[in-house]
Amino acid sequence: NAGVTQTPKFQVLKTGQSMTLQCAQDMNHEYMSWYRQDPGMGLRLIHYSVGAGITDQGEVPNGYNVSRSTTEDFPLRLLSAAPSQTSVYFCASSSNPTGGLYGYTFGSGTRLTVV
Amino acid sequence: GNSVTQMEGPVTLSEEAFLTINCTYTATGYPSLFWYVQYPGEGLQLLLKATKADDKGSNKGFEATYRKETTSFHLEKGSVQVSDSAVYFCALSRDAGGTSYGKLTFGQGTILTVHP
Repeated sequence: NAGVTQTPKFQVLKTGQSMTLQCAQDMNHEYMSWYRQDPGMGLRLIHYSVGAGITDQGEVPNGYNVSRSTTEDFPLRLLSAAPSQTSVYFCASSSNPTGGLYGYTFGSGTRLTVV
Repeated sequence: GNSVTQMEGPVTLSEEAFLTINCTYTATGYPSLFWYVQYPGEGLQLLLKATKADDKGSNKGFEATYRKETTSFHLEKGSVQVSDSAVYFCALSRDAGGTSYGKLTFGQGTILTVHP
């Protein structure tokens, strides 16, 4: 099924550990982005990409790293996990910067707990 | 910068009641506006959208009209069902420089619970 696939769905990390959240889409979308969802704060943009090889910071980039070597994949790296990074992470993609006909397509999320 | 403000929640209604969730925005230029819905344990799904002033987005009985004069995009439904229980997010697509690069700015979300 076409869409955005995120792995893993759940993860528990110890403080200081590193990990990569995976995001892949098979719709040939140029625009991809990562958000974190925290209670009462909606979703906040971490990093985004407008195409392979081009990334930029969003609203809350500290502690996260991204790269975009292919159109399909946009992994998010936590360099040294901290309890403040406990959150639900969503990846999204679109063929159009304003969302186009179908808006942005979201993955099902990764629930991360840092202890 | 851009911002989206939604009405405080949670909202609790009885089945068949009328629903309004207020959303106002601040943005330069002409943003596209969205309502997304998140059902328990799932990701976000596009509910409806509008791309220019006076456009009305509609889907599954929900409606919202892009009001540039009041910078608002309120969500309405005439008769809610238990299955509408979810979190609703208002969002806009436009960056501070007046161009858009695939980024969304979200409101804080409104939890809706509908009782039978």
